Amino acid sequence: QQQVKQSPQSLIVQKGGISIINCAYENTAFDYFPWYQQFPGKGPALLIAIRPDVSEKKEGRFTISFNKSAKQFSLHIMDSQPGDSATYFCAASINFNKFYFGSGTKLNVKP
Amino acid sequence: DAGITQSPRYKITETGRQVTLMCHQTWSHSYMFWYRQDLGHGLRLIYYSAAADITDKGEVPDGYVVSRSKTENFPLTLESATRSQTSVYFCASSRDRGQPQHFGDGTRLSIL
Repeated sequence: QQQVKQSPQSLIVQKGGISIINCAYENTAFDYFPWYQQFPGKGPALLIAIRPDVSEKKEGRFTISFNKSAKQFSLHIMDSQPGDSATYFCAASINFNKFYFGSGTKLNVKP
Repeated sequence: DAGITQSPRYKITETGRQVTLMCHQTWSHSYMFWYRQDLGHGLRLIYYSAAADITDKGEVPDGYVVSRSKTENFPLTLESATRSQTSVYFCASSRDRGQPQHFGDGTRLSIL
């Protein structure tokens, strides 16, 4: 049973558009929610993260929206660029020890 | 700044053989992690270590063994490889609890 469910599996967005990736979880003990970006042949790299006491966090063009009552969180990429084309993973952690990842979203930004 | 390196990058072996994947980090990070990445599953934690000589099971530990005699090294051993262990394996480290994880570039392991 996957602890973190991620959708969509793939996403195509035009350059300049908004990319939105969603994740949902069940375990209310999760207390840290990072997003990772992965390029082909490379390991994931931390993009942005949020704690459950905050409803939104923004870093540049990347924003996490967090809905604690719905147990959902999402990544918004504003003004999407071809260089953003990658696979994105959400994750959740309890006490920063065990991390549970979503199944990934492959984003393709068309020029 | 070498960071975190995994070796080998690619490995092909046969069922029943023992294989060890190496992970080395130059930052003296306390925490180290092993994940496997499979299509449709994202990354799944196999084992993690909070410090030298301290290891704990993750989500999918069966069939794997780890050790951490030195802070900088965290090898992963498949004692008797099975086809279901064909995967891409990632090692990661973090300075301490709550700090970002830094990933290596992975080892692609095929078991025939």
